[in-house]
Amino acid sequence: GAVVSQHPSWVICKSGTSVKIECRSLDFQATTMFWYRQFPKQSLMLMATSNEGSKATYEQGVEKDKFLINHASLTLSTLTVTSAHPEDSSFYICSASDSRTGYTFGSGTRLTVV
Amino acid sequence: SQQGEEDPQALSIQEGENATMNCSYKTSINNLQWYRQNSGRGLVHLILIRSNEREKHSGRLRVTLDTSKKSSSLLITASRAADTASYFCATEFPGTYKYIFGTGTRLKVLA
Repeated sequence: GAVVSQHPSWVICKSGTSVKIECRSLDFQATTMFWYRQFPKQSLMLMATSNEGSKATYEQGVEKDKFLINHASLTLSTLTVTSAHPEDSSFYICSASDSRTGYTFGSGTRLTVV
Repeated sequence: SQQGEEDPQALSIQEGENATMNCSYKTSINNLQWYRQNSGRGLVHLILIRSNEREKHSGRLRVTLDTSKKSSSLLITASRAADTASYFCATEFPGTYKYIFGTGTRLKVLA
């Protein structure tokens, strides 16, 4: 079946630094990827839709300058949390889709900003 | 908010009992999915039910869908301690692959 690899699985960074999270579709080409965020004991909230070769579409309330998304190839989307602050500490998870396989979720990245 | 609602928010039962979780959503859907998430982990896909289906089974899981009421339920029969997790429903906006998750139910199965 389709596999989505997310890296890193966890990261700790200092406040003010930037962190990049990668989402790769391993055995299929993903024209669209989605990024979700989950705060402790809460549900997953869709942050943005990432389309290969074009700008990402952000959900209401999500700062596009803070959460930079790049989908430069059909197998890779990256989410960069810029100038991270403790309130950005969260679980970030991506999903990737194509017309043949549907969609698949990555295993998530736990970000802790200290 | 487009987010679906789930109830109960938390459920604690004894091993061997059945657990029922309900999900209500707001828009028309192509399909609805149920996921499990162990604490701090990724999502595990459980069942997908399409909008033209009313019931699906998978092992000890039974999912129903009532599109007229915009609701779905997940039944776990003969629960086990290993079923302890959070359970989420997710609905797809037609044709988008964009999923909106429900608020989740935290299930605790006591051995």
